[in-house]
Amino acid sequence: EADIYQTPRYLVIGTGKKITLECSQTMGHDKMYWYQQDPGMELHLIHYSYGVNSTEKGDLSSESTVSRIRTEHFPLTLESARPSHTSQYLCASSEQGWAKNIQYFGAGTRLSVL
Amino acid sequence: AQKVTQAQTEISVVEKEDVTLDCVYETRDTTYYLFWYKQPPSGELVFLIRRNSFDEQNEISGRYSWNFQKSTSSFNFTITASQVVDSAVYFCALSESGYGQNFVFGPGTRLSVLP
Repeated sequence: EADIYQTPRYLVIGTGKKITLECSQTMGHDKMYWYQQDPGMELHLIHYSYGVNSTEKGDLSSESTVSRIRTEHFPLTLESARPSHTSQYLCASSEQGWAKNIQYFGAGTRLSVL
Repeated sequence: AQKVTQAQTEISVVEKEDVTLDCVYETRDTTYYLFWYKQPPSGELVFLIRRNSFDEQNEISGRYSWNFQKSTSSFNFTITASQVVDSAVYFCALSESGYGQNFVFGPGTRLSVLP
């Protein structure tokens, strides 16, 4: 069973607010990911990290930012939330090395921006 | 370019029926992994299986089985004697050795198993 945790599970917030979605894993995984899942179910990679102090943008352009100061922690921040940011955000992690690339997911944060 | 297609957007079956979820992929890489994940209503994606491109053996795990055919670029998933708890969205994904090792997910198939 995966040990990756996301908080909050649900968040309703007004336009213009700054928010941080938390993601932590206890598996010691080097690689971590953020996906955005739209109502049509499709998953889009928005950020990933190979390890501490490493962050990369994914395939889908996002106004969010991420940081990786500790191996176990990969928070995502929106400086000014807008209704277009309403979505589900899923965090995942995997071991380093392509042969160990099974991604394990958290339960997600469902964000609604009013 | 890599791509994963799951042509079935939604499937409904009655409990105890068998159901097959289709997955077709595109890749120029000769070395890749294919995955299936399950997303129940609770939201998290649960890993089901990983298969590498050099292993075309079919796999069975309880009521689940997977059929990998490189000739048709398909990696189909069959649930035998479906149960209500199988109701979920199922995602097929591809990871190429040369694509930063990141995943490309298919659009998902929503399976509803009715009692």
